[in-house]
Amino acid sequence: GAVVSQHPSRVICKSGTSVKIECRSLDFQATTMFWYRQFPKQSLMLMATSNEGSKATYEQGVEKDKFLINHASLTLSTLTVTSAHPEDSSFYICSARGFRAGGRAEQYFGPGTRLTVT
Amino acid sequence: DAKTTQPNSMESNEEEPVHLPCNHSTISGTDYIHWYRQLPSQGPEYVIHGLTSNVNNRMASLAIAEDRKSSTLILHRATLRDAAVYYCILRDEAYSGYALNFGKGTSLLVTP
Repeated sequence: GAVVSQHPSRVICKSGTSVKIECRSLDFQATTMFWYRQFPKQSLMLMATSNEGSKATYEQGVEKDKFLINHASLTLSTLTVTSAHPEDSSFYICSARGFRAGGRAEQYFGPGTRLTVT
Repeated sequence: DAKTTQPNSMESNEEEPVHLPCNHSTISGTDYIHWYRQLPSQGPEYVIHGLTSNVNNRMASLAIAEDRKSSTLILHRATLRDAAVYYCILRDEAYSGYALNFGKGTSLLVTP
């Protein structure tokens, strides 16, 4: 079954509004969470890395004031797209890294959130 | 991370084996070879990984060349549900806390 969930699965918002996407690790504690963005017919692009209790590290070209990441607990990270514009429309995927029972630390992916900004 | 090269697309008939190649000529001794796949409109899914020896699991097999400069993901009997983009990714385990970096992958089309 799924080990990482995202909510919502899809969202449509008006230009200028903010949207929050939640990412939860379901049966393990995620010491590190990653946020990716994927445009149509392209590969996943890493946006930022966050460790629980610390500020996120953003990839070059990703605006930290526009994409707010909070990783306040070991099972929850949120991505807030502030003042969204149509060019922010994309598929946002979170990933959580941690140890599940009996295994090595792995990176598990959420199902993604389709954001459409009108 | 060392670079990987994969064909943009491949096609297979249903219920036939599929061999997905990946070249990684600059692989280092501590790089693990990971394969993930992404079904349409979903997040990536782990398939298999290995270091030197061939690996088998319930989803697939991974054949690694003796010089480790290439590897092949083998789906023994393709089904329509295997249609996805398959990504071959190298990562040094010393940096396992870092994010997986995805290339363009191979888009697998499975026809009935």
